[in-house]
Amino acid sequence: NAGVMQNPRHLVRRRGQEARLRCSPMKGHSHVYWYRQLPEEGLKFMVYLQKENIIDESGMPKERFSAEFPKEGPSILRIQQVVRGDSAAYFCASSPALAGLNTQYFGPGTRLTVL
Amino acid sequence: TQLLEQSPQFLSIQEGENLTVYCNSSSVFSSLQWYRQEPGEGPVLLVTVVTGGEVKKLKRLTFQFGDARKDSSLHITAAQPGDTGLYLCAGDPGTASKLTFGTGTRLQVTL
Repeated sequence: NAGVMQNPRHLVRRRGQEARLRCSPMKGHSHVYWYRQLPEEGLKFMVYLQKENIIDESGMPKERFSAEFPKEGPSILRIQQVVRGDSAAYFCASSPALAGLNTQYFGPGTRLTVL
Repeated sequence: TQLLEQSPQFLSIQEGENLTVYCNSSSVFSSLQWYRQEPGEGPVLLVTVVTGGEVKKLKRLTFQFGDARKDSSLHITAAQPGDTGLYLCAGDPGTASKLTFGTGTRLQVTL
């Protein structure tokens, strides 16, 4: 029973380039969440998606960041025109669609370094 | 904005000692989760507590959810070097949405 998968594990980009981070949820999970962790800080919520829908994007920066969870395929977090401040670990989590319980299982993360 | 404060922030102890980590908030949570994160890895779920006053045990780890569902504690008995890591509490407000993470407790257990 595979867990949450993320790729790539490490991503290096130069300022101004685009970063695409992928997340495949656990089998049977239809809810996906993206979090960002800056060095020596806790995890901060970015966006919550269900298949083909963005449910809550209150933690997403208004510009350059976007997320999708298509009907087929992984969820994608896209960062356009990256800046050095985007360097962080980005984690994806998934949960099953069970009413009343929101246990989230995390992937290993993608560590983005912007040069 | 719901905030979760963890204490202590850092803890360095010797193998065999006991310790308690606290997670406090002024907000009520539907459930609370504890995770452990090791360097370069994602948070690994340890436990979910749901009912006020609930106590759950996981080998040498004991988790308690406060009666008012605003706070929680994690107690480790006879700590081992393998317990070293970043411990995070995370509260669920009950809207099946984002978790609010605590500030984290970094534990180091030495021989």
